[in-house]
Amino acid sequence: AQSVSQHNHHVILSEAASLELGCNYSYGGTVNLFWYVQYPGQHLQLLLKYFSGDPLVKGIKGFEAEFIKSKFSFNLRKPSVQWSDTAEYFCAVGWADKLIFGTGTRLQVFP
Amino acid sequence: DSGVTQTPKHLITATGQRVTLRCSPRSGDLSVYWYQQSLDQGLQFLIQYYNGEERAKGNILERFSAQQFPDLHSELNLSSLELGDSALYFCASSVGATRDVETQYFGPGTRLLVL
Repeated sequence: AQSVSQHNHHVILSEAASLELGCNYSYGGTVNLFWYVQYPGQHLQLLLKYFSGDPLVKGIKGFEAEFIKSKFSFNLRKPSVQWSDTAEYFCAVGWADKLIFGTGTRLQVFP
Repeated sequence: DSGVTQTPKHLITATGQRVTLRCSPRSGDLSVYWYQQSLDQGLQFLIQYYNGEERAKGNILERFSAQQFPDLHSELNLSSLELGDSALYFCASSVGATRDVETQYFGPGTRLLVL
């Protein structure tokens, strides 16, 4: 069965540290890729998405993600995190009218 | 605020009971999706409706059913509840029908506790 893996379940950082959250998937064909974020007490919302073109995608709030086809990866990055980035981050992979979410990574940023 | 509303926010019930969760999509969105989020299984897709018709089914139990009404709001019915059904249930909506390309807008969720 196709799967989406987010290996980091819980990440703890200090403000200004750099962030990279991993996302790997198992489907070998063309995929569409998403990162969603859920801030404490709020709904999930789209952070960024990739369908085609430049594999480096910029999203809201200074986040970016890089699609590396050979590694089946779509890692989320931010050069300098803020306390307000504390949230749960979900990677989602879509293909052939399906969408699968990863199990999420909880990020805690301390001042 | 995503524009998607869900009621109730919290629900506590007993095993064997039946509950109904309600979702109103964003204005103009024709698709409604239901997800179950539990600690050990992440966000699991249950079912999708598009413009009143069932479009896709995921890991939805036979004890669960859903429908989308002419005004496009949707209800998820959970019956013969078990302890393991305790979870956060999210509704999401999108303009179009194709799951792998649509941006989904999520509601705040309904937290169900089965005692």
